[in-house]
Amino acid sequence: EPEVTQTPSHQVTQMGQEVILRCVPISNHLYFYWYRQILGQKVEFLVSFYNNEISEKSEIFDDQFSVERPDGSNFTLKIRSTKLEDSAMYFCAGGLLGETQYFGPGTRLLVL
Amino acid sequence: GDSVTQMEGPVTLSEEAFLTINCTYTATGYPSLFWYVQYPGEGLQLLLKATKADDKGSNKGFEATYRKETTSFHLEKGSVQVSDSAVYFCALILDTGRRALTFGSGTRLQVQP
Repeated sequence: EPEVTQTPSHQVTQMGQEVILRCVPISNHLYFYWYRQILGQKVEFLVSFYNNEISEKSEIFDDQFSVERPDGSNFTLKIRSTKLEDSAMYFCAGGLLGETQYFGPGTRLLVL
Repeated sequence: GDSVTQMEGPVTLSEEAFLTINCTYTATGYPSLFWYVQYPGEGLQLLLKATKADDKGSNKGFEATYRKETTSFHLEKGSVQVSDSAVYFCALILDTGRRALTFGSGTRLQVQP
């Protein structure tokens, strides 16, 4: 059964550094999402992506964040200048036209 | 705004006990409702869903009924197993075109042998 994969599984970075989190969605999916979960808190929506552009974003997704799908398979989330409060588990998800979203295992990001 | 409220955990049960995890929601419009499960070290997996009032979602012995009158979607299982130990998330999507899931805070279930 196809799965969503994410790399790396863990990343430690210094405050102010750029990080890129990578996701490989299921190949026939059309909608892609990033969510995050700060330790002990809710899973929060960041951004959705369809037809090579952002279709929706939350107030969390400010100018420090960007997404792209550079080669038709990878889906990346970039944080330009990380802050301590960016430490969280980041989940990638994908789906077809419909509601079921299929999630990856997550990348745990720790900003020091 | 839209929100989902779940009972706080952890919920600790003995094997074969009956499970209920409460979930209520607040939403404008008519949401679809979901339960996702996260096993240790893994991502979120869809457990079940219901898209309209009075629908019952079911999977792997788990059930939840969409109750519009009480704005609830409680998760139930008649006899839990140790392998059901996980974190369970209730979530909704509105029918107004927004595709983002709104999650509850999650409830950790621990099943003891």
